[in-house]
Amino acid sequence: KQEVTQIPAALSVPEGENLVLNCSFTDSAIYNLQWFRQDPGKGLTSLLLIQSSQREQTSGRLNASLDKSSGRSTLYIAASQPGDSATYLCAVIGNTPLVFGKGTRLSVIA
Amino acid sequence: GAVVSQHPSRVICKSGTSVKIECRSLDFQATTMFWYRQFPKKSLMLMATSNEGSKATYEQGVEKDKFLINHASLTLSTLTVTSAHPEDSSFYICSAKRGGTSVHEQYFGPGTRLTVT
Repeated sequence: KQEVTQIPAALSVPEGENLVLNCSFTDSAIYNLQWFRQDPGKGLTSLLLIQSSQREQTSGRLNASLDKSSGRSTLYIAASQPGDSATYLCAVIGNTPLVFGKGTRLSVIA
Repeated sequence: GAVVSQHPSRVICKSGTSVKIECRSLDFQATTMFWYRQFPKKSLMLMATSNEGSKATYEQGVEKDKFLINHASLTLSTLTVTSAHPEDSSFYICSAKRGGTSVHEQYFGPGTRLTVT
């Protein structure tokens, strides 16, 4: 059974810092890995999707990497801003539908 | 882009009543739709998978007679919470997988906040 773990559970950083969020999964037989953002009380916003054949994806200040063999992904946020404050979820699709981690709650302090 | 809508966005109902939530794919055909539930400060938990024209597949521990799912067309799936109780209060999110593609990407709706009083 696929299990997804995200570390840290919460993170608070001053504005302008670069930061890394970690995601690990137990079953490396995945089709893709997806990073989402969720604001309090809101739905999910898809940030980046990495297919299993890819090693990274970039969108603006965000860069996500995937090491399928070791079961790890990282989300790198450059030059963080207060508007980046949200919960970040990673999810993997394998032979079962999306399995989510519990998320990392990020606070960027102005 | 691929847009998924949900209606209503918020609903408050009395204990014992039933509530229907709609999930629509607006600009693509969704052969498969998924329903998730999220408790406060928790991650999303898959409730069921529905394929157009067939019965939904429920995850272990999810009561199929309580959470009725109907995927009547390639653009619409509904979740009906029957005889709702306060413990059913939660955030319900649907997602849709585009048909005719090998890319395993799901597109998420904005969610529905259900409060049962």
